[in-house]
Amino acid sequence: DAGVIQSPRHEVTEMGQEVTLRCKPISGHDYLFWYRQTMMRGLELLIYFNNNVPIDDSGMPEDRFSAKMPNASFSTLKIQPSEPRDSAVYFCASRASGSGETQYFGPGTRLLVL
Amino acid sequence: QKEVEQDPGPLSVPEGAIVSLNCTYSNSAFQYFMWYRQYSRKGPELLMYTYSSGNKEDGRFTAQVDKSSKYISLFIRDSQPSDSATYLCAMSETQGGSEKLVFGKGTKLTVNP
Repeated sequence: DAGVIQSPRHEVTEMGQEVTLRCKPISGHDYLFWYRQTMMRGLELLIYFNNNVPIDDSGMPEDRFSAKMPNASFSTLKIQPSEPRDSAVYFCASRASGSGETQYFGPGTRLLVL
Repeated sequence: QKEVEQDPGPLSVPEGAIVSLNCTYSNSAFQYFMWYRQYSRKGPELLMYTYSSGNKEDGRFTAQVDKSSKYISLFIRDSQPSDSATYLCAMSETQGGSEKLVFGKGTKLTVNP
């Protein structure tokens, strides 16, 4: 299994630009999670989906952030417009129902907003 | 008070040492407890998983949960340089109550040869 796939691995952009992060979960997993990791705040859950439906987006910091999951094998996290304080590592994770609470993480996208 | 507290370290030990990593939490509804290991510039990977109280052993790793004290521990015996990583505790409520994992900030461990 290829594991959770994220792209791009690195993104450098200027303030005000739109940023789109992409995630392909492990095949057969019906939960998908988006996290953000910073030194100050650690790993924070932004939003999670079950069967492509957003269940809890209470961690999304602002309206500038949006996430979609059009099908079981693809999700996007979009930031528009981006700000320097959005600089962080963004992780996608997935898990399967009935597998306990084990989440499998992707390699992350390092975002730097100048 | 944050839901999950974890000493960020850093922790530096010689090869072969026993390492103890800990987290405390405030939410008594947490039932599932995990330890993730994160190597530099990589995603977290599950190391240990425990349900409710008790101990669980896997090779050189032992996870302990004390729900009465709201305290969890990870012990690493005969630590190796390859154990150098950041260790994150994570926990969640009863299945069906919440699907969310709450993470500690992580403890950075360095094992020196």
